[in-house]
Amino acid sequence: DIQLTQSPSFLSASVGDRVTITCRASQGISSYLAWYQQKPGKAPKLLIYAASTLQSGVPSRFSGSGSGTEFTLTISSLQPEDFATYYCQQLNSYPFTFGPGTKVDIK
Amino acid sequence: QVQLQESGPGLVKPSQTLSLTCTVSGGSISSGGYYWSWIRQHPGKGLEWIGYIYYSGSTYYNPSLKSRVTISVDTSKNQFSLKLSSVTAADTAVYYCAKGDSYGPYWYFDLWGRGTLVTVSS
Repeated sequence: DIQLTQSPSFLSASVGDRVTITCRASQGISSYLAWYQQKPGKAPKLLIYAASTLQSGVPSRFSGSGSGTEFTLTISSLQPEDFATYYCQQLNSYPFTFGPGTKVDIK
Repeated sequence: QVQLQESGPGLVKPSQTLSLTCTVSGGSISSGGYYWSWIRQHPGKGLEWIGYIYYSGSTYYNPSLKSRVTISVDTSKNQFSLKLSSVTAADTAVYYCAKGDSYGPYWYFDLWGRGTLVTVSS
């Protein structure tokens, strides 16, 4: 199985901050990576797929980049509704696996 | 718009079979092109992809669960189902059904149910 790691696992930030989360894969996965946002008690919500394609309806302050083994999710200006846990997922090969998550909390 | 809703028992005894159903509303499960999936999340933990079924009936299961998992589809009811046998406390989790789609070769899960907590306990 392809293992994904995320860093940091937790970050504390303020409204308006630029936030970057990194996802690393144990082997190359080209651009077969998605990012999800999950709020407490809710299902994950797709933000980005194919490493950098913004899902319809997702605010443009979210962006993704990377290929191969290293990827980033960037929130250009953190908004109150962005405080959540973010997961990356590789869809390069079965079984599809998720990263352990990055919790973004209010400073 | 398409919506997914999980249903099934919230409590299952150890060694028994967990059975959940996902009802698809607002669209046909047979419309094709989608991979209807189950994903679970252990309490306070990360996400684990269980497997998928295509409307035609073809399936793929996570090898970590393959010996215990069956995913089936009932197109007449617009539902797909999960059965997980010989459950233990380690199977206690929130179970989500999700719609898998793709843009060219790029997969993603763009629609999720609200999730249902299944507790394994005697």
